[in-house]
Amino acid sequence: GQNIDQPTEMTATEGAIVQINCTYQTSGFNGLFWYQQHAGEAPTFLSYNVLDGLEEKGRFSSFLSRSKGYSYLLLKELQMKDSASYLCAVRDRNTGGFKTIFGAGTRLFVKA
Amino acid sequence: SAVISQKPSRDICQRGTSLTIQCQVDSQVTMMFWYRQQPGQSLTLIATANQGSEATYESGFVIDKFPISRPNLTFSTLTVSNLSPEDSSIYLCSARDRGAKPVETQYFGPGTRLLVL
Repeated sequence: GQNIDQPTEMTATEGAIVQINCTYQTSGFNGLFWYQQHAGEAPTFLSYNVLDGLEEKGRFSSFLSRSKGYSYLLLKELQMKDSASYLCAVRDRNTGGFKTIFGAGTRLFVKA
Repeated sequence: SAVISQKPSRDICQRGTSLTIQCQVDSQVTMMFWYRQQPGQSLTLIATANQGSEATYESGFVIDKFPISRPNLTFSTLTVSNLSPEDSSIYLCSARDRGAKPVETQYFGPGTRLLVL
């Protein structure tokens, strides 16, 4: 089956660095996404990893280890506006084609 | 990137009635999806809306309860039929755009908040 685990909530201080972890189990891994979702709004795309390693994009970086079924999203120089839910999502290939499965999300609270 | 709008943004419905949600994309997209999200929960895929053919439903979701239309490459509707309080949720339309980078990126509409009394 498919399973995605990420912490429910995290709190960090403005200006600090926070790492949000995600572990997954899937039979036909074909890439991992991170999405940001502010309360009451649609999820928006942050990053995509399909190969092992670190992808950096401004203040946000995402890491993937396929052998460990593990990813993290690293947010640097935290700002108050980064308070949101961060969804880990795995693209899975099965007999029916490709499907993107979402984790429950990690709610990040950034405090002054 | 594709911009997706949904109507209505929210509604309150009586049990036993139906609600049809419209999803409009500002460009032609290859694939459209419908998700459900309970407050504080993950997105659950209901079905993939296929242009010109029947939608492909995920386990636990059936066409009689969630009929879907996709008459062209920019528009889809989801109907939630025979409403019960358990159907109270946020329903999100999503699309994949062949021109996106990466191409697997999904764009989401703002969601439709449904409350069933």
